[in-house]
Amino acid sequence: GQQVMQIPQYQHVQEGEDFTTYCNSSTTLSNIQWYKQRPGGHPVFLIQLVKSGEVKKQKRLTFQFGEAKKNSSLHITATQTTDVGTYFCAATGTASKLTFGTGTRLQVTL
Amino acid sequence: NAGVTQTPKFQVLKTGQSMTLQCAQDMNHEYMSWYRQDPGMGLRLIHYSVGAGITDQGEVPNGYNVSRSTTEDFPLRLLSAAPSQTSVYFCASSFGNNSPLHFGNGTRLTVT
Repeated sequence: GQQVMQIPQYQHVQEGEDFTTYCNSSTTLSNIQWYKQRPGGHPVFLIQLVKSGEVKKQKRLTFQFGEAKKNSSLHITATQTTDVGTYFCAATGTASKLTFGTGTRLQVTL
Repeated sequence: NAGVTQTPKFQVLKTGQSMTLQCAQDMNHEYMSWYRQDPGMGLRLIHYSVGAGITDQGEVPNGYNVSRSTTEDFPLRLLSAAPSQTSVYFCASSFGNNSPLHFGNGTRLTVT
């Protein structure tokens, strides 16, 4: 089945530092979604990317979809303690099923 | 508008017991799905449904049954619980299988 690899598994940053998580697939993706899960909570949808090379921004968060539609990234500028949580990518491939990456857990300390 | 409601929040079962995890949504979503979340493994799809009367298997369906008699409800049944089914279970719904998912608050299940 389709596999979506996400790196790193864990990142610990000081508040104010930047953070990036990457999502990679060996197959072409129809679209990619990003979710955030706070500790003890449930995943919450952040954004969906559909077009090759697409870039979307939400305040300090920048999302990119690769030109070949096989990878994506989420970049957070100047992290805050409210950014703590696990970030998941979820991708739809040829089978039209949504497959989640293993997630990147972000820890932010003062 | 409650969104996606899951019950119970916590459950402890003994090996071999059966139970049903309930999931209901009030957003008139056609697509509903069940995921399990285990440390280091992300969210894995158990079963999904694209509409009332239609269900299909996901990545890890063994040991679980589902039915979809109404648009609103999508219960997940464990017929004979095993310790390997200890996990956090999330129900999710959306307008379609490529649309953003709305998740319930989850059920933390422990099988001893």
